[in-house]
Amino acid sequence: AQSVTQLDSHVSVSEGTPVLLRCNYSSSYSPSLFWYVQHPNKGLQLLLKYTSAATLVKGINGFEAEFKKSETSFHLTKPSAHMSDAAEYFCVVSGSGGSYIPTFGRGTSLIVHP
Amino acid sequence: EPEVTQTPSHQVTQMGQEVILRCVPISNHLYFYWYRQILGQKVEFLVSFYNNEISEKSEIFDDQFSVERPDGSNFTLKIRSTKLEDSAMYFCASSGTLAGQETQYFGPGTRLLVL
Repeated sequence: AQSVTQLDSHVSVSEGTPVLLRCNYSSSYSPSLFWYVQHPNKGLQLLLKYTSAATLVKGINGFEAEFKKSETSFHLTKPSAHMSDAAEYFCVVSGSGGSYIPTFGRGTSLIVHP
Repeated sequence: EPEVTQTPSHQVTQMGQEVILRCVPISNHLYFYWYRQILGQKVEFLVSFYNNEISEKSEIFDDQFSVERPDGSNFTLKIRSTKLEDSAMYFCASSGTLAGQETQYFGPGTRLLVL
């Protein structure tokens, strides 16, 4: 079985300050991990994915995430928040036990203050 | 960049009515999916579809639900007799392959409200 826990339902930062969105996962096998972003009235857009290659994954819009097996974490970071980063972010795990069906976290709402 | 599209963006219906949600997946993709997100809850997998048949479905996907690929481009989700608890955002997705590490591309969603 696989599961995802996004530790914060809301994260609030000031523009220009670092962003940290936390995600922990549970998986029986080496999983694939994804971060998706959803802007209002838009679909889910892939930010980045980890698929057992480099543990530090760089994505679009300056985001990156580090896969830490010992901590079962896949936290999303960005050095400097921009107003346009305000959105809902979803951590997703799949591939556990050969299943392609992804399991979504509850989402973290990122609020960016001017 | 190719994208998944969905229509309508919003639908309001009366309890007991049938609704059909439509999706146009990315043209060279072979695997199609439906998910739903009830307000304030997680995105949940409903069903996957490949080669004109259901590959896998969740326990949510009961006899009230059906999927179809009526032509070469559309992928539909039908809810036969809607219930209040079917109110949710429904997302369609498609991917090129079925592997767990394959990226699924999502549409913008259809917000369904059952009254």
